[in-house]
Amino acid sequence: QVQLVQSGAEVKKPGASVKVSCKASGYTFTGYYMHWARQAPGQGLEWMGWISPNSGDTNYAQKFQGRVTMTRDTSITTAYMELTRLRSDDTAVYYCSREANIAVAGPHDYWGHGTLVTVSS
Amino acid sequence: EIVLTQSPDTLSLSPGERATLSCGASQSVSSSYLAWYQQKPGQAPRLLIYGASSRATGIPDRFSGSGSGTDFTLTISRLEPEDFAVYYCQQYGSSPRTFGQGTKVEIK
Repeated sequence: QVQLVQSGAEVKKPGASVKVSCKASGYTFTGYYMHWARQAPGQGLEWMGWISPNSGDTNYAQKFQGRVTMTRDTSITTAYMELTRLRSDDTAVYYCSREANIAVAGPHDYWGHGTLVTVSS
Repeated sequence: EIVLTQSPDTLSLSPGERATLSCGASQSVSSSYLAWYQQKPGQAPRLLIYGASSRATGIPDRFSGSGSGTDFTLTISRLEPEDFAVYYCQQYGSSPRTFGQGTKVEIK
């Protein structure tokens, strides 16, 4: 069965960086784009970008350009999302999700359980 | 960027009632690349509907989606106790992908 298992909660100081991992299993890792989104406490979902595990190509939301880097390690079927220069408003649950191969663009059919990142001095 | 606006913000209904949730887009959503997700407290979102009207695997047929262009609807024909949650629409046809602000379906 498809599973996306994320790394554990993190507490960071303002200005620091955080790197969240997403270990995929149960499917061909390189066959599906991986997306990242976040959800601040009590708020809605915010899309951050995607990575192609096959090519390493990325596409980031403009809001995060220059601060976010998405990478992958195909040998261990794991995707990563690193966010730098953290601020208090980056406190959120960060989710990885797989893009379904349904059409030219696909919805997010499997999600990780989420990783809480808390930014506090 | 396509802005999605959901209405209402909160829907108060009783089990067995019909729920109708709306999602309006600031521009036409290409190829009806519109999805609906359900999220319960402390859980990740769950895909319900994609392509505006196709049910995802394992989703009960009391959930249905409709619409095209800029106006979309999620209907839950008869609410079950497990359906009380927050629902988000998302367009995935253009970048950046965007979500609506969510509609909370609560028990009346």
